[in-house]
Amino acid sequence: GAVVSQHPSWVICKSGTSVKIECRSLDFQATTMFWYRQFPKQSLMLMATSNEGSKATYEQGVEKDKFLINHASLTLSTLTVTSAHPEDSSFYICSASGLAGEYQETQYFGPGTRLLVL
Amino acid sequence: ELKVEQNPLFLSMQEGKNYTIYCNYSTTSDRLYWYRQDPGKSLESLFVLLSNGAVKQEGRLMASLDTKARLSTLHITAAVHDLSATYFCAVDGFYAGGTSYGKLTFGQGTILTVHP
Repeated sequence: GAVVSQHPSWVICKSGTSVKIECRSLDFQATTMFWYRQFPKQSLMLMATSNEGSKATYEQGVEKDKFLINHASLTLSTLTVTSAHPEDSSFYICSASGLAGEYQETQYFGPGTRLLVL
Repeated sequence: ELKVEQNPLFLSMQEGKNYTIYCNYSTTSDRLYWYRQDPGKSLESLFVLLSNGAVKQEGRLMASLDTKARLSTLHITAAVHDLSATYFCAVDGFYAGGTSYGKLTFGQGTILTVHP
């Protein structure tokens, strides 16, 4: 089955610093990757959609200058939280879907990255 | 705007009992997903329902989709403790009239607790 990894799994940083989270599809080519945020005891909210080689499409209310997304290859997308503040503390989950067939029918989710901003 | 609502939001079940989780959505779509999330973990894909009348079963879980009623159900048969988790349904907005494939709108989640 398709595997999506995220790195790091946990990050604690000081307020004002930037944090980069990587999302990789390990055994398939992901034409599209999605970034979600989940606050404790809440559902997942889509932040942005990224297509390889294109600019990301952000959902309403998500600051694109704060959450920088790069999808440089078919297997890697990165989310950079710039000048992080405590209210950015959350569980960030990426997902990926592929070109065709099985990998197109569903999204494969990464294990998530828990961010704590002090 | 696509809205997805689950009920109940909290479900406490005895082992061996049956129950159903409901997922209603506001705009016609023929692609719906069910996921499981354990505490502190990411999502595990359970079912992908691709058409009206689709029914899928895996172990003690069975999911169905009625696109005309805009309703999906997740039925639990003879619950066991290992099924305790949060269950989410999600609808692909592209199939609900959206313009971008793969944008999922999630329900609120149903926290299921199975006790002896």
